Amino acid sequence: DQQVKQNSPSLSVQEGRISILNCDYTNSMFDYFLWYKKYPAEGPTFLISISSIKDKNEDGRFTVFLNKSAKHLSLHIVPSQPGDSAVYFCAAKTSGSRLTFGEGTQLTVNP
Amino acid sequence: DVKVTQSSRYLVKRTGEKVFLECVQDMDHENMFWYRQDPGLGLRLIYFSYDVKMKEKGDIPEGYSVSREKKERFSLILESASTNQTSMYLCASNRLARTDTQYFGPGTRLTVL
Repeated sequence: DQQVKQNSPSLSVQEGRISILNCDYTNSMFDYFLWYKKYPAEGPTFLISISSIKDKNEDGRFTVFLNKSAKHLSLHIVPSQPGDSAVYFCAAKTSGSRLTFGEGTQLTVNP
Repeated sequence: DVKVTQSSRYLVKRTGEKVFLECVQDMDHENMFWYRQDPGLGLRLIYFSYDVKMKEKGDIPEGYSVSREKKERFSLILESASTNQTSMYLCASNRLARTDTQYFGPGTRLTVL
């Protein structure tokens, strides 16, 4: 069963606009969430994270929102830049070291 | 900077061959992980190790084994490669601290013919 789900395989936005990437989870034991970004032919790199005791975490152009009651998190990128074009994975963990990843969303930012 | 390296970027093997994928990290991390990435399926955990000679199965361990004889090195072994093991293989590592993010290598694109 897919415990972390990214329902949009792809998203296309104009440069300068907001990109919103969504992620849903089913396991209520998840208490830490991360977003990774992956360019072709490279490994994923960590972008931003949030603990379940918070509902928002911001780092520059990137903000992650967590809605625990809905078991939903989202990544906002404002403003979007062409260099943000990549696959974005959301991931979640419980008390251990294992991460459970979503399927990924391909973001394309058009100039 | 953390560095995770993988022995090959691209590999082509034949069905039935034994395949070794090697991963080395230089940050003295306790944990090491092997994932495969397939379109529409995201990253799926094959095996991980939290110490030398220790290993735990991930979500899809069938057809794979691992070896961790030294802290910095974690090997993934395909005992008898099959075409459905054609994939991108990613190694990662991190410390034992609960919120420590995983650092990934560049990946090995394995094709089994």
